[in-house]
Amino acid sequence: LQLQESGPGLVKPSETLSLTCTVSGGSISSSSYYWGWIRQPPGKGLECIGTLYYSRSTYYNPSLKSRVTISADTSKKQFSLNLSSVSVADTAVYYCARLLATYTYDVWGQGTMVTVSS
Amino acid sequence: QSVLTQPPSVSAAPGQKVTISCSGSSSNIGNHYVSWYQQVPGTAPKLLIYENNKRPSGIPDRFSGSRSGTSATLGITGLQTGDEADYYCGTWDSSLNVVLFGGGTKLTVL
Repeated sequence: LQLQESGPGLVKPSETLSLTCTVSGGSISSSSYYWGWIRQPPGKGLECIGTLYYSRSTYYNPSLKSRVTISADTSKKQFSLNLSSVSVADTAVYYCARLLATYTYDVWGQGTMVTVSS
Repeated sequence: QSVLTQPPSVSAAPGQKVTISCSGSSSNIGNHYVSWYQQVPGTAPKLLIYENNKRPSGIPDRFSGSRSGTSATLGITGLQTGDEADYYCGTWDSSLNVVLFGGGTKLTVL
């Protein structure tokens, strides 16, 4: 199983950050797994943004909930992240990952750096 | 400040043993499995320990995990220079309904 993030590396303040994670070697429709987005600001720790279950149920970090949408396109084996009204504080490396039912992220994408700047 | 508390840094000499603690509460570590991740700077985190004390295939038995009450511990024996990395604990929080990570611990092998 491999995961690969893609999307713009530069986003302007107040705009929407949009990223896609493409899954190869497995299905995102399985009821056995969740799929998640995690970010890491430069020099800082990891922060879970949210997770998607069975292509329809979502769980978002309360600190980001008002700005986050995670969705899936099962036909393309992709799930996506939209983060609205971004600011400089949203500058980070964004990872997608598979989450097991025991809340373990066992497979990670390589990450993609997103910079918020005008 | 993270809900899960880890020491910012630990250090030890090659061949020695080190432990990294992760302290939480009943809404997270106290009632849910703990995982540990290793992150070499510039790379994605890598799963080291899951379900408190299990190692994925390919992870050497120099790495071990344990949980007691609302705290968890990662142990590394026979330290190697290649073990220098940042280490994160992670678990579910049933009050926040989100996976939490500790603030991370930087391991230096002197």
